[in-house]
Amino acid sequence: DGGITQSPKYLFRKEGQNVTLSCEQNLNHDAMYWYRQDPGQGLRLIYYSQIVNDFQKGDIAEGYSVSREKKESFPLTVTSAQKNPTAFYLCASSIRSGGRDTQYFGPGTRLTVL
Amino acid sequence: GEDVEQSLFLSVREGDSSVINCTYTDSSSTYLYWYKQEPGAGLQLLTYIFSNMDMKQDQRLTVLLNKKDKHLSLRIADTQTGDSAIYFCASQAYGQNFVFGPGTRLSVLP
Repeated sequence: DGGITQSPKYLFRKEGQNVTLSCEQNLNHDAMYWYRQDPGQGLRLIYYSQIVNDFQKGDIAEGYSVSREKKESFPLTVTSAQKNPTAFYLCASSIRSGGRDTQYFGPGTRLTVL
Repeated sequence: GEDVEQSLFLSVREGDSSVINCTYTDSSSTYLYWYKQEPGAGLQLLTYIFSNMDMKQDQRLTVLLNKKDKHLSLRIADTQTGDSAIYFCASQAYGQNFVFGPGTRLSVLP
């Protein structure tokens, strides 16, 4: 089955720890994205990558880092510098066809800081 | 910057039609999307409309676009309990990233 997988589904972190969220896709999409979702707010873009070995900051990149060493993988590290990391994190990938992007989403990782 | 607005809650009776509204500010938005999110899950693309269209219908879903007023709506006919979810409106200008609204939580009452 083609799709996007995220792991783990639930993640608990102590204050001061870095944690890494996994995102893998086998859709052969070039572009990948990380979003943060908080209750009552839309999705906010953290980082995105249009191609391997290249990525750009989104609207709320502070306290986060990413890498894109392989086309299939776009891990997100939540660092101790992120002041309020408890949220639902969504990974997406996209393909462009006729000028339109279609974004496909993974199932999400819920991160809770204890 | 670009902004997408939606009302946060909507309740309807099972069998009635639901209408979820969205307004956006970016006049260069080329495509407008509706996504559905069920509890604890990712977003699922429901439908999209190109900015030069007024309406698009797909089974129980009807999308209406008023480009002059920058207003988009999603109508769900014969709403069922399985339609209970959060619905996100998103806009995209050509070559730009998506801008998502805050989502409308649809509750379907028996």
